Amino acid sequence: QKEVEQDPGPLSVPEGAIVSLNCTYSNSAFQYFMWYRQYSRKGPELLMYTYSSGNKEDGRFTAQVDKSSKYISLFIRDSQPSDSATYLCAMSGAGSYQLTFGKGTKLSVIP
Amino acid sequence: GAGVSQSPSNKVTEKGKDVELRCDPISGHTALYWYRQSLGQGLEFLIYFQGNSAPDKSGLPSDRFSAERTGGSVSTLTIQRTQQEDSAVYLCASSWTGTDPLNYGYTFGSGTRLTVV
Repeated sequence: QKEVEQDPGPLSVPEGAIVSLNCTYSNSAFQYFMWYRQYSRKGPELLMYTYSSGNKEDGRFTAQVDKSSKYISLFIRDSQPSDSATYLCAMSGAGSYQLTFGKGTKLSVIP
Repeated sequence: GAGVSQSPSNKVTEKGKDVELRCDPISGHTALYWYRQSLGQGLEFLIYFQGNSAPDKSGLPSDRFSAERTGGSVSTLTIQRTQQEDSAVYLCASSWTGTDPLNYGYTFGSGTRLTVV
């Protein structure tokens, strides 16, 4: 079992839909949870991060972490065609510089 | 510079040849990372440099891979005797420090797409 599991998709939704992206993990030492967005032929860019369990909201994006279930989510409200990208979850332990990434979910938002 | 710069952006090489990939981090960032992104795979950690400390090479897949960082700035990843399974996108990232991900942010370059034929 990989440390981080993420459904690769692809996921296709109509513009304006609510998108839910998820990752599960097995390493209980993970405390920092991040979501990166990667456009085609570009490097990943940090979208959101959270520490331990809880929710964090930033505009149309909400990140949720449930450490008891080892499950993290990213919700995108009112999705736009410009949200079409691959979304990568990443996580690390306390004081660790090394991130463990999921494989990424490819999202297409259709106008 | 304004961002992390990687060169070349694309590299096609013949099996058995050596290749060098370059990364120019954001000025002032002391931490530098190399990751590999293979088709259908997540990002795989390769190596980490922090200031003048000895690098963490624990992610390098074989002794054909090596990396150096000169003057605490530019880094070069070298792959000797390339194999087809080395084909991937090699991503470099830098950050202010290497500890506490919430107090730093990885900034990735656009990567070098390596194809071994």
